[in-house]
Amino acid sequence: SQKIEQNSEALNIQEGKTATLTCNYTNYSPAYLQWYRQDPGRGPVFLLLIRENEKEKRKERLKVTFDTTLKQSLFHITASQPADSATYLCALGGADSWGKLQFGAGTQVVVTP
Amino acid sequence: EAGVVQSPRYKIIEKKQPVAFWCNPISGHNTLYWYRQNLGQGPELLIRYENEEAVDDSQLPKDRFSAERLKGVDSTLKIQPAELGDSAVYLCASSLGPAPQYGYTFGSGTRLTVV
Repeated sequence: SQKIEQNSEALNIQEGKTATLTCNYTNYSPAYLQWYRQDPGRGPVFLLLIRENEKEKRKERLKVTFDTTLKQSLFHITASQPADSATYLCALGGADSWGKLQFGAGTQVVVTP
Repeated sequence: EAGVVQSPRYKIIEKKQPVAFWCNPISGHNTLYWYRQNLGQGPELLIRYENEEAVDDSQLPKDRFSAERLKGVDSTLKIQPAELGDSAVYLCASSLGPAPQYGYTFGSGTRLTVV
């Protein structure tokens, strides 16, 4: 069965450092991958989209890579700030199943001053 | 713009009782989704609407769950009767379309507790 894995342990990081999160998947050939941010008591907020033919995408302090050979996406937050503290979810979609995103369980990031 | 509006924010009911959740998507967003999120898990799709048509309800437990989207705008998700295992956060999301470049906009969700 399709499986999406994100680190279940919280990532504790010092302000100013780069946070790197991992999203691994098995039994899946996604056409695209999205990353979302979720704060406690709120719904996820869309951050970035990367397609299978793209290696890297950037948006301000965020960078996403997508390696279809390794079946992995990395999500980087550079120059992290306490306001970046949240849970980050990856979500995968297939070319034959647009509108049917499958979400990982998310990784909590805690940025300390 | 108000974003995706959901109500109520919290609901506590006894098992076997009915419950309904309401969602008002962003104006102009034709695609509407209902997701369920259990504690510590990612959201799981229950149903997707394109305008007023349910185009994917394969993961909706149809014996007790129902949904509607009249006039292709607001939507209601109902559970009858509720079971203990239905306790979760029910999220509504909308997008301009199902294509991936249209990231989803989620509401804040309804936290359901069944006792």
